[in-house]
Amino acid sequence: EIVLTQSPATLSLSPGERATLSCRAGQSVRSQLAWYQQKPGQAPRLLIYDASNRATGIPARFSGSGSGTDFTLTISSLEPEDFAVYYCQQRSNSFTFGPGTKVDIK
Amino acid sequence: QITLKESGPTLVKPTQTLTLTCTFSGFSLSTSGVGVGWIRQPPGKALEWLALIYWDDDKCYSPSLKSRLTITKDTSKNQVVLTMTNMDPVDTATYYCAHSPVNILATHFDYWGQGTLVTVSS
Repeated sequence: EIVLTQSPATLSLSPGERATLSCRAGQSVRSQLAWYQQKPGQAPRLLIYDASNRATGIPARFSGSGSGTDFTLTISSLEPEDFAVYYCQQRSNSFTFGPGTKVDIK
Repeated sequence: QITLKESGPTLVKPTQTLTLTCTFSGFSLSTSGVGVGWIRQPPGKALEWLALIYWDDDKCYSPSLKSRLTITKDTSKNQVVLTMTNMDPVDTATYYCAHSPVNILATHFDYWGQGTLVTVSS
């Protein structure tokens, strides 16, 4: 099973600031990595798939990069609705999710 | 418009078998390039993938839970059913079903149901 590690566990930022979230895989997952956003009481929402492709309807302030073992989700300028938990997920070997990064308001 | 909705018991006893149904609309599981998966989330914890079924009836399971899981589909009813045997209190979680677009392999989940909370307790 491929283990995903996300850092930091919590990111405290203000609206308008840039958020950089990291996801590291225990072995190469090529580009088979997705990012999800989850708000309390809601289902996850797909943001990015195949490492860098924005899902339908996702604002351009969300971008993904990386390949192999190191991936980054960047939110260029935080909007109030972006404060949430973010999960990465790989599909290279079975499916696994990371432990999540909580982005909260500073 | 793709929608999915989970249904099943909200409370099961330890050692019982859980049966959850995902009823969907907006796509067909008899069309190539489609998969439906199940993912769960214990309260306050991270997501955990359980199983996925493809349009051609190919299936894959979480290695750690494979012995307890069965996923099936009924294309005529637009439903996917997940059974999990020998339930334990650690299986208490919100269970989600989700649609996966397939290009050779399913790699991500683009539409999710609202989830259903299942509590395991005597």
